[in-house]
Amino acid sequence: EAGVAQSPRYKIIEKRQSVAFWCNPISGHATLYWYQQILGQGPKLLIQFQNNGVVDDSQLPKDRFSAERLKGVDSTLKIQPAKLEDSAVYLCASSRLLGTQYFGPGTRLLVL
Amino acid sequence: DQQVKQNSPSLSVQEGRISILNCDYTNSMFDYFLWYKKYPAEGPTFLISISSIKDKNEDGRFTVFLNKSAKHLSLHIVPSQPGDSAVYFCAASAGNNRKLIWGLGTSLAVNP
Repeated sequence: EAGVAQSPRYKIIEKRQSVAFWCNPISGHATLYWYQQILGQGPKLLIQFQNNGVVDDSQLPKDRFSAERLKGVDSTLKIQPAKLEDSAVYLCASSRLLGTQYFGPGTRLLVL
Repeated sequence: DQQVKQNSPSLSVQEGRISILNCDYTNSMFDYFLWYKKYPAEGPTFLISISSIKDKNEDGRFTVFLNKSAKHLSLHIVPSQPGDSAVYFCAASAGNNRKLIWGLGTSLAVNP
């Protein structure tokens, strides 16, 4: 069974630029999560989808971050415009409904 | 307010000995606990979990113990192997959406 796929693996941008990350969950997993992990901390949930509906986006900075999962399969997370403090690893995870979450390799973002 | 606490940022153990990683929580509503392992440049990997109706769960070399009265859980690795060297995260969840609350992680080094 293929794992969670994410791209790109690394991204360097300048502040005020925009960036987009892509995630393809494990086949058959209804729930998809985007996390932000800053060095030395645990992952922080940004948004949780169940199929193509949003379950929780309470910690998503909606003035600059957006995410979609239009067909209930893959998902994109966008930051526009980026700030220095957005430098982090962005992790995508998926699960069967509310089961154990399985993570992709993450995208390392550096904002200069 | 850190609801899940891993008070030891790092731990060093000799190969073949037992590794004990600790986690404390403050929210009595948590009813499901998980341990994830993370290697550098990879996403977290699910290791083992325990429901609050149990006090022990074992999977090979890994055992998780839960003490609800003390709001404390621990992960035991016996025997420890150099490949176990990684950052270990404790996470807890409650409620219908199963949102994970993460600790800050403990970096385990197993020395040959």
